[in-house]
Amino acid sequence: NAGVTQTPKFQVLKTGQSMTLQCAQDMNHEYMSWYRQDPGMGLRLIHYSVGAGITDQGEVPNGYNVSRSTTEDFPLRLLSAAPSQTSVYFCASSYMSSGNTIYFGEGSWLTVV
Amino acid sequence: GQQLNQSPQSMFIQEGEDVSMNCTSSSIFNTWLWYKQDPGEGPVLLIALYKAGELTSNGRLTAQFGTTRKDSFLNISASIPSDVGIYFCAGPGGADGLTFGKGTHLIIQP
Repeated sequence: NAGVTQTPKFQVLKTGQSMTLQCAQDMNHEYMSWYRQDPGMGLRLIHYSVGAGITDQGEVPNGYNVSRSTTEDFPLRLLSAAPSQTSVYFCASSYMSSGNTIYFGEGSWLTVV
Repeated sequence: GQQLNQSPQSMFIQEGEDVSMNCTSSSIFNTWLWYKQDPGEGPVLLIALYKAGELTSNGRLTAQFGTTRKDSFLNISASIPSDVGIYFCAGPGGADGLTFGKGTHLIIQP
């Protein structure tokens, strides 16, 4: 009953450091995505993937990289963390894209100081 | 891309009251989704709507797909403390995935 699993739950970074947020799903979903949630901004799409080996940019991709080497995993990399990347990050997955119900992980709280 | 306007931004209600919130889009949607986010958790799907005019219930929650296909409504009857949270509407996004409204914060006063 794992669903979408994100790690870590909480992380504090210094400006300029890099890190990877991990995301794994065990539902054999083709579609995976990363959102960030900021006060008053709702959920904004960072990157998404419609299948292994395929990724694309969302609404706010700058400063982030993704890869999709397997169906199960979709890590999000912060290349050089900035305070503006302080946010809550959610990984999500679904069987197909656009309009189908998607399932969210529990979130990763990231603070960049 | 599509924009979703969700209102109200926040609601302060008494336990037992009914709640109504809505969402409008700048373009026609084929799907409307309503999510709830509890504090410290990820959003969880409440109701999915796939047809104009559709009315769907999930316990005390009722959602409707507006006939213009540019709006949707979520009603909660007889609110209880566990209804506290942020409610998001969502629909198909321009960059694939979903576009979300900015959320309605529901706060229940004792």
